Amino acid sequence: KAGVTQTPRYLIKTRGQQVTLSCSPISGHRSVSWYQQTPGQGLQFLFEYFSETQRNKGNFPGRFSGRQFSNSRSEMNVSTLELGDSALYLCASSSLLGTGLNNEQFFGPGTRLTVL
Amino acid sequence: TQLLEQSPQFLSIQEGENLTVYCNSSSVFSSLQWYRQEPGEGPVLLVTVVTGGEVKKLKRLTFQFGDARKDSSLHITAAQPGDTGLYLCAGVLDSGYALNFGKGTSLLVTP
Repeated sequence: KAGVTQTPRYLIKTRGQQVTLSCSPISGHRSVSWYQQTPGQGLQFLFEYFSETQRNKGNFPGRFSGRQFSNSRSEMNVSTLELGDSALYLCASSSLLGTGLNNEQFFGPGTRLTVL
Repeated sequence: TQLLEQSPQFLSIQEGENLTVYCNSSSVFSSLQWYRQEPGEGPVLLVTVVTGGEVKKLKRLTFQFGDARKDSSLHITAAQPGDTGLYLCAGVLDSGYALNFGKGTSLLVTP
């Protein structure tokens, strides 16, 4: 079974630009969650999509948005990039909605975004 | 403010030594997980604990959930170079939904 894939793996952008990151979950998984990982803040929850609907959202500004397609693939968009958006963006897929005991999240390798 | 505080932040030991990593909070969690992340990879789940006082063993790794469900520890016996990585604890608040992660403990085990 193929794991979670994320594209691209590395990305360099300049301030003010926008960026779209892609995540393909494990086959059969319907939930995709996005996280931002930085040395200063660690891993922080961005949002979760399930069956094409955003179900939960973390404490990030509206510049961060996402969507999920009917095949469960998900994209995350960041508009008007700031230097502080430089981070590793991780997506995780699971078969069920939420963070229940029997709902393990499987993480992808992440997209390393650098904003200059 | 970080909900989960991990200590130590960095740990460098020699093969064969024992170590303990701590994950503390003032909040109560319905469950707590431990992950290991290697460079260039996403975190991989090691264990989930849900009951206060629970102890789980995974080969040389022992995980404990505090009685009050506010803290947890990870003990590694006879560490090996393959244990090198970033260890993350993450918990779901009793009143919450999302996984809250600690900043992690970076472990280096040298031969």
